[in-house]
Amino acid sequence: DIQMTQSPSSLPASLGDRVTITCRASQDIGNYLRWFQQKPGKSPRLMIYGATNLAAGVPSRFSGSRSGSDYSLTISSLESEDMADYYCLQSKESPYTFGAGTKLELK
Amino acid sequence: QVQLKESGPGLVQPSQTLSLTCTVSGLSLTSNSVSWIRQPPGKGLEWMGVIWSNGGTDYNSAIKSRLSISRDTSKSQVFLKMNSLQTEDTAMYFCARSSYAYWGQGVMVTVSS
Repeated sequence: DIQMTQSPSSLPASLGDRVTITCRASQDIGNYLRWFQQKPGKSPRLMIYGATNLAAGVPSRFSGSRSGSDYSLTISSLESEDMADYYCLQSKESPYTFGAGTKLELK
Repeated sequence: QVQLKESGPGLVQPSQTLSLTCTVSGLSLTSNSVSWIRQPPGKGLEWMGVIWSNGGTDYNSAIKSRLSISRDTSKSQVFLKMNSLQTEDTAMYFCARSSYAYWGQGVMVTVSS
């Protein structure tokens, strides 16, 4: 199975900060990478698909990128509504696998 | 508009079988796959398995021996059955459409005697 190593597990940040979360794939997944945001008590929300494509309705301060087997989610200027958990998901090969998650919190 | 809704028992006894239903609207199961994902309290997301648009299935290796996903296209329903439940199977269970842009609200399942 493909493993997704997500870091950091926790990310304290201030409003207006530029923050980056990374997932490393244990084998080639091409651009079959999605990012999700999840707030307490809610279902996950798709933010990025195809590694770099913004999902419908997602603010432009979110972006996705890829460098080799490393995939990143970047928020250019953190807003209070962005405080949440974030997960990556590889869908290159079944069984699909999620990263362990990153908790983004106010410093 | 696309909607998914999970339903099932909130409490299951250890060693018993869990049966959940995902009822979909606004999409055809013969054109879309549906996945099941679960999340134990305070923990991360775990991909459980998928039923593809052609009716084929794939499962998480760790739970494959206990899990079965099926569907009734005429009723727009997808079913999850997992046997030999243990306390570590206590979780919120979600179903999601193939693109993962649409999720149900989830159903909480507690495994306890």
